[in-house]
Amino acid sequence: QKEVEQDPGPLSVPEGAIVSLNCTYSNSAFQYFMWYRQYSRKGPELLMYTYSSGNKEDGRFTAQVDKSSKYISLFIRDSQPSDSATYLCAPEGGGATNKLIFGTGTLLAVQP
Amino acid sequence: EAGVTQSPTHLIKTRGQQVTLRCSPISGHTSVYWYQQALGLGLQFLLWYDEGEERNRGNFPPRFSGRQFPNYSSELNVNALELEDSALYLCASSLRQVSNQPQHFGDGTRLSIL
Repeated sequence: QKEVEQDPGPLSVPEGAIVSLNCTYSNSAFQYFMWYRQYSRKGPELLMYTYSSGNKEDGRFTAQVDKSSKYISLFIRDSQPSDSATYLCAPEGGGATNKLIFGTGTLLAVQP
Repeated sequence: EAGVTQSPTHLIKTRGQQVTLRCSPISGHTSVYWYQQALGLGLQFLLWYDEGEERNRGNFPPRFSGRQFPNYSSELNVNALELEDSALYLCASSLRQVSNQPQHFGDGTRLSIL
């Protein structure tokens, strides 16, 4: 079993839709959770950074962590064609490792 | 503020050769990380350097090595290149690890092995 599981998609939605992207993880030691956006031929761009369980909102983006079920989500409101990219969830490895454990990424396409 | 910069952007090598990739972190960041993004495997952690020392290493063979310089820039060296080393090599940086700090990535070096 992979430490982080993420549906690879592709996920296609119409412009303006609410998008839900999800990951599950297996290691209860994870405390910090990142979401990155990666455009083609670019490096990952940090979108959201959350600690432990709860919600965090930043503009059209909301990150949600449920440590009891080891489930993390990213919601995108009023999706735009410019949101079309691969979205990567990345818990931090716990302890003093400082390594990010990445999911495989979900490819999102927002249709105008 | 300049982001993480990596050079070169592309490289083509043949099996058995050696390669050096370079990374300059965001100004003020002391930690540098290297990740490999191979097709179908996703991003995998390679190395973490902080204050010139190797702090953590991923599950990669010893022919993957690196170093961090006094100005916090870093090099990744790969010896005896194999076909499966073809990948995007990404460098990230963060503030000093007094607490968990988010990592910011460059755009990577795309390495192709023929």
